[in-house]
Amino acid sequence: DGGITQSPKYLFRKEGQNVTLSCEQNLNHDAMYWYRQDPGQGLRLIYYSQIVNDFQKGDIAEGYSVSREKKESFPLTVTSAQKNPTAFYLCASRGVTKNIQYFGAGTRLSVL
Amino acid sequence: EDQVTQSPEALRLQEGESSSLNCSYTVSGLRGLFWYRQDPGKGPEFLFTLYSAGEEKEKERLKATLTKKESFLHITAPKPEDSATYLCAVEVEATNKLIFGTGTLLAVQP
Repeated sequence: DGGITQSPKYLFRKEGQNVTLSCEQNLNHDAMYWYRQDPGQGLRLIYYSQIVNDFQKGDIAEGYSVSREKKESFPLTVTSAQKNPTAFYLCASRGVTKNIQYFGAGTRLSVL
Repeated sequence: EDQVTQSPEALRLQEGESSSLNCSYTVSGLRGLFWYRQDPGKGPEFLFTLYSAGEEKEKERLKATLTKKESFLHITAPKPEDSATYLCAVEVEATNKLIFGTGTLLAVQP
């Protein structure tokens, strides 16, 4: 089945630790996105990539980093510089013919 | 500033009681408006995309409409399984980014 796979489903971060969230898609989509969702707030864009080896900051990129070495993969690292990392993280991808973003199931990150 | 506002924040309906959710937007240029459904602890599921004023899309008990300032998601004779958060998002021209509203939490009671 084609889709977007996020892992892990739950993740815990210790103080001062960097953690990496995985996002893989087999939809052959060029563009991929990372969002953060907090209670009572809309989805906020962290980073996005429209092509391999290129990515741009979204509205809340501070404390996060990404890479796009393969078309299928867009991992997000939450660094120790992100002081309030507890949130639900969503990855999405979008094709060229239809400008629809499809989402993965999300990763819930908590701080120990 | 580009902005999307959804109302109400929460809506409680009895099974079979039809209603509408509102999504108003102010953007420099609309490329498309999107509706998603999100169940607790899951990722948003795509429902509809609308591109121009006057356009309508339907799927089962849901119907989405678009004007130059807002979109409505009409729910006809809802069932408990329609309970979810409904998210609206707009794509601004010359970007490939979505701006999301904060969602409407719909609860349908049997």
